[in-house]
Amino acid sequence: EIVLTQSPATLSLSPGERATLSCRASQSVSSYLAWYQQKPGQAPRLLINDASNRATGIPARFSGSGSGTDFTLTISSLEPEDFAVYYCQQRSTWPRTFGQGTKLEIK
Amino acid sequence: EVQLVESGGGLVKPGGSLRLSCAASGFTFSSYSMNWVRQAPGKGLEWVSSISSGSSYIYYPDSMKGRFTISRDNAKNSLYLQMNSLRAEDTAVYYCARDWSAFDIWGQGTMVTVSS
Repeated sequence: EIVLTQSPATLSLSPGERATLSCRASQSVSSYLAWYQQKPGQAPRLLINDASNRATGIPARFSGSGSGTDFTLTISSLEPEDFAVYYCQQRSTWPRTFGQGTKLEIK
Repeated sequence: EVQLVESGGGLVKPGGSLRLSCAASGFTFSSYSMNWVRQAPGKGLEWVSSISSGSSYIYYPDSMKGRFTISRDNAKNSLYLQMNSLRAEDTAVYYCARDWSAFDIWGQGTMVTVSS
């Protein structure tokens, strides 16, 4: 099973700042990595698929990069609605696995 | 509008069974693989099962093999999860999700509580 480790667990930033979230895989997942955003009481929302492709309707301030074992989700300038929990997930092998999440909170 | 709506959750005793349903609308259901994902209270996301568009391929994590059964009815645009021998640790919100290079569409979830 591929283990995805996200860091940091919590990130405290202010609106307008740049956020950098990391996801590291225990073995290569090629580019088969997705990022999701989840707000309290809501279902997750797909942000990025295949490491760097923004999903439909996702603002350009969200970007993904990386391949192999190291991946990054960057939010270029935080908006108030971006404070949420973010998860990475791999589809390289079975079982599908998620990272434990990074909570992005307002400083 | 593309939509997934789960139902069937509720309170069940340990050892009991429950069948979840997911009704799809707004897209060609029979063309997509589908998934179940769960989230225990205050915890992260956990993949539960996947089924291919024609039901030929079905996957589970080892921890759920033998207790959970995924199925679908393309004529009814519906996905199902039969859960048997339920345990307290199965308490979670269960989401269905469409699979298109990632889980691109999610339902709102249905809560399953396993407690005596």
